Amino acid sequence: DAGVIQSPRHEVTEMGQEVTLRCKPISGHNSLFWYRQTMMRGLELLIYFNNNVPIDDSGMPEDRFSAKMPNASFSTLKIQPSEPRDSAVYFCASNLGFSGNTIYFGEGSWLTVV
Amino acid sequence: QQQVKQSPQSLIVQKGGISIINCAYENTAFDYFPWYQQFPGKGPALLIAIRPDVSEKKEGRFTISFNKSAKQFSLHIMDSQPGDSATYFCAASKGRGSTLGRLYFGRGTQLTVWP
Repeated sequence: DAGVIQSPRHEVTEMGQEVTLRCKPISGHNSLFWYRQTMMRGLELLIYFNNNVPIDDSGMPEDRFSAKMPNASFSTLKIQPSEPRDSAVYFCASNLGFSGNTIYFGEGSWLTVV
Repeated sequence: QQQVKQSPQSLIVQKGGISIINCAYENTAFDYFPWYQQFPGKGPALLIAIRPDVSEKKEGRFTISFNKSAKQFSLHIMDSQPGDSATYFCAASKGRGSTLGRLYFGRGTQLTVWP
């Protein structure tokens, strides 16, 4: 079975540009999570969806960040406009949505904003 | 506010030694405590997990010890190997049977095992 698939794996962009990160969760999983990892703050949960519905977006840093899940097999995280402090690794993860079920992470999207 | 506190931030152990990483939590509603392992350039992956109805769980060289009254749990890696060098995250989630699988992560421990 394919795991969580993220694209792009690496992105370098200029400040002010729009960035779109994409995620395909594991088939059958009904919860999807977007995490951001930095040296300073560790793994932060940005937003999570259950059955395609956003449940908690309190971790989204500001209005420049938005996330969508138009269907069960696809999600996007968009940053517009991007800033250098957004440079981080962004992970998408999915699971069956029940507490105690393993959360599976993708390999991450490495974003650098210059 | 950090829901799960992890220490140490980094750990250096000699090959064959025991690596110990500690975590503490406050929310008594937490009922699932996994440990994730992350290698450079990869996403975190589940290593081992425990529920509070047992005090210890062992899988190979990896053991979780759980102290419910102290609200602490720890990961022990016996006979540490250079291949164990990675970042380890403790985590917690709440609500047995809940339909939401949200995890609260510790800040991570970077383990280096010297050959």
